[in-house]
Amino acid sequence: QQPVQSPQAVILREGEDAVINCSSSKALYSVHWYRQKHGEAPVFLMILLKGGEQKGHEKISASFNEKKQQSSLYLTASQLSYSGTYFCGTEPSSSNTGKLIFGQGTTLQVKP
Amino acid sequence: DSGVTQTPKHLITATGQRVTLRCSPRSGDLSVYWYQQSLDQGLQFLIQYYNGEERAKGNILERFSAQQFPDLHSELNLSSLELGDSALYFCASSTASGEQFFGPGTRLTVL
Repeated sequence: QQPVQSPQAVILREGEDAVINCSSSKALYSVHWYRQKHGEAPVFLMILLKGGEQKGHEKISASFNEKKQQSSLYLTASQLSYSGTYFCGTEPSSSNTGKLIFGQGTTLQVKP
Repeated sequence: DSGVTQTPKHLITATGQRVTLRCSPRSGDLSVYWYQQSLDQGLQFLIQYYNGEERAKGNILERFSAQQFPDLHSELNLSSLELGDSALYFCASSTASGEQFFGPGTRLTVL
């Protein structure tokens, strides 16, 4: 039931791009993306609702394919500040509460 | 700063003891969520309250309980503590459109 994230870890140089995928076996109502730095709280990045939309701000964007129950997070021209662990949180269609089930996380390290 | 506050920041206690973690949501948010984060389990949803009522339950142990008060702050009570309960406990509150904002967390160490 836990969504599966891939890759588990990625190392980039500044300026390179990355894609993080999140795949669920359940029909989804929404997908949430968070970034967490070591020892800190997860920080909200964006929410994608059923409807296959794509969202983004600055150099971070995401897409949601509700037919495939998949979401992807796109990080372009990465900066050192992008380092951290990225989590997707999924809300099943059957849930009407906002309860999220989180993936295991993808660790991103950006090097100078 | 997300606007969600949690106290205490750190808690060290012994097995068998009982502790209470406190959370104040962002102004205007009615929903409060509790999560447990340990190294081997990731972020696990425990329980959700909406405007004082329990709304959803996750993998919350019977030794754990929570409530949300009329002023919307919430408390998570953990009793008969075991070594395996050592973890970061996060509280989050959400807007009407569903974005969840996390508090800084309480790091619980059970010795």
